[in-house]
Amino acid sequence: KNEVEQSPQNLTAQEGEFITINCSYSVGISALHWLQQHPGGGIVSLFMLSSGKKKHGRLIATINIQEKHSSLHITASHPRDSAVYICAAQGAQKLVFGQGTRLTINP
Amino acid sequence: NAGVTQTPKFQVLKTGQSMTLQCAQDMNHEYMSWYRQDPGMGLRLIHYSVGAGITDQGEVPNGYNVSRSTTEDFPLRLLSAAPSQTSVYFCASRRGPGVGSPLHFGNGTRLTVT
Repeated sequence: KNEVEQSPQNLTAQEGEFITINCSYSVGISALHWLQQHPGGGIVSLFMLSSGKKKHGRLIATINIQEKHSSLHITASHPRDSAVYICAAQGAQKLVFGQGTRLTINP
Repeated sequence: NAGVTQTPKFQVLKTGQSMTLQCAQDMNHEYMSWYRQDPGMGLRLIHYSVGAGITDQGEVPNGYNVSRSTTEDFPLRLLSAAPSQTSVYFCASRRGPGVGSPLHFGNGTRLTVT
């Protein structure tokens, strides 16, 4: 079993839909990162959180430390949100990455 | 600020050749790391460094070498390339190993070993 599990692996939705991507981890962490990677592109940091909730524009990230679970939500999704979303659990020195969720938003 | 600069963007090597992937950051970050990204496997840590002169192995270090002589630079050396090292490589940095430090990634190097 991977230390960081993401679900779903693939997600296709229509423009405007509310999107949720989940991340569960089994390791102790000091922080949880959410990253975005566009096709053929680099990797961009969206959020880093250690408790509660963070919001940036249409993106919201939450974390429940007791349940070892984090979610990334996208409100009013748009085709430009199509990308791979990756969560990463940060330990004392290293990060462990999930396999990513490929999101496709159709117009 | 340039952020994290990674070169080259693309490279083709023959089996047995050696090469160095360059990574530089201008943010005075203590922590730098190298990952490889393979289909279906996510990002895997190769080597990391928590400061100049300090390096350590990650999950998949075999066949790779690193050094950290300055805060800015963290090159990754392939000693004798093998087809199994065909991958996309990313360098990343953050301010320190502790909490409160977002990741900054380079644009990646797509390496093919024939």
